[in-house]
Amino acid sequence: AQSVTQPDIHITVSEGASLELRCNYSYGATPYLFWYVQSPGQGLQLLLKYFSGDTLVQGIKGFEAEFKRSQSSFNLRKPSVHWSDAAEYFCAVGNTGNQFYFGTGTSLTVIP
Amino acid sequence: NAGVMQNPRHLVRRRGQEARLRCSPMKGHSHVYWYRQLPEEGLKFMVYLQKENIIDESGMPKERFSAEFPKEGPSILRIQQVVRGDSAAYFCASSRGGQGAYEQYFGPGTRLTVT
Repeated sequence: AQSVTQPDIHITVSEGASLELRCNYSYGATPYLFWYVQSPGQGLQLLLKYFSGDTLVQGIKGFEAEFKRSQSSFNLRKPSVHWSDAAEYFCAVGNTGNQFYFGTGTSLTVIP
Repeated sequence: NAGVMQNPRHLVRRRGQEARLRCSPMKGHSHVYWYRQLPEEGLKFMVYLQKENIIDESGMPKERFSAEFPKEGPSILRIQQVVRGDSAAYFCASSRGGQGAYEQYFGPGTRLTVT
């Protein structure tokens, strides 16, 4: 069965520091992988996606993620965090049935 | 270029009442998905619809919940005889379908509170 694990419930980083949010998935075939960001009281905004090809994908707002098949991971990174990046981040895996499976999310706090 | 629209944004219902949540997909999108987000949890898939068809409802509770996406008008998620456990944020997403189905765009959600 498909599943997504985000092991870090909450992360705090200083503004300007680098960020890595972890995501591990379980999926029987080549996964379609996504990262979404959710600000309080808002819907989800797509940051980036991986379907195939280059395993390092670039997204919006300076985020990138790397697909590592051997580790079943799709970690999200940003070299320098801004205060406006504080939000909830969700990793998701999609299947051929168009159904998405979401992780439980990682809440990011950015301190000055 | 309007995104996915959901209304109402907030809905309060007493136990036993009905809740109707509406979703208008992005222009050009013919596929709609409904997800539920319980407090402190991720989104859980409920149902996937195309115009006039339910494609996958494997995540929908068997009782009290129903969804439709008519030929004209928005998609509707209907919850009959609501209970406190139905309190959650309900998100709708849409996609173009085909290979484009792998890119879902989400609405702002409807936050349902059952008192």
